[in-house]
Amino acid sequence: AQRVTQPEKLLSVFKGAPVELKCNYSYSGSPELFWYVQYSRQRLQLLLRHISRESIKGFTADLNKGETSFHLKKPFAQEEDSAMYYCALKTSNTGKLIFGQGTTLQVKP
Amino acid sequence: GAGVSQSPSNKVTEKGKDVELRCDPISGHTALYWYRQRLGQGLEFLIYFQGNSAPDKSGLPSDRFSAERTGESVSTLTIQRTQQEDSAVYLCASSLGAGTPQHFGDGTRLSIL
Repeated sequence: AQRVTQPEKLLSVFKGAPVELKCNYSYSGSPELFWYVQYSRQRLQLLLRHISRESIKGFTADLNKGETSFHLKKPFAQEEDSAMYYCALKTSNTGKLIFGQGTTLQVKP
Repeated sequence: GAGVSQSPSNKVTEKGKDVELRCDPISGHTALYWYRQRLGQGLEFLIYFQGNSAPDKSGLPSDRFSAERTGESVSTLTIQRTQQEDSAVYLCASSLGAGTPQHFGDGTRLSIL
C-alpha cells in the first residue's frame, strides 16, 4: 500500500538547534517526494521537492531509497520556522499526492 | 486573484443536508485537485481533473460525494445527505499540469451538526 508516515506529531526545539523532521514512505515504484509547510494563518505551500535538490529557507531533504525516507533537515532552527510540515508522495502521472499526518515544529526562543 | 480561491470559507449545516463547495483555480492551471483534511490528520486525496480528460475519482469516499469542473475553470464539490463524519477542511489545489507543483487554497471548513 502507498503510505507516508511522519512519526512525530510535535517537535519542539530551541532556536539555533538542529532540526530533523522524519518522513518515511511505502511505495513499490519510483517515488517523487515533497515537503509542504503551513505557517500560522497561511495556506499550505510547497517548501521543496526532492527532484530539485535545492535548499529552501535553509532546509534540505535527501531521498534515501534504501531506507525509504525523505527527512527534512535544517542545521540551525529559527523561530519563524515554527509551522506545520507535511511530507507528500506523488505516485502517478496524475500528480495526486499522498500526505503524511504532519509534524508541528515549535521553535522556542 | 493571484491564488486559488475557495468559497465559502466556513460552512455549518445540519446532518442530512446537501452542501456545495466551490474552487476557483489559478488562471491557466489545467490540473485541479480536491483533498479533505479531518481534524488531526493529513490530507486525503478526493478527486483530480486534468483538462478535458475523465477525472480521477479514486479518492471519493462514497457515492454521496461528487465533483464537477467546466473546462479549465471553476470546480464544485457536492456532498449529498451530509453525515457528521464529513466534517473536515476541504482543500482545493491547482497546478499548471499533472505533476507540477500544486498551489492550495485556504480551504472550506465544513461542520455537520
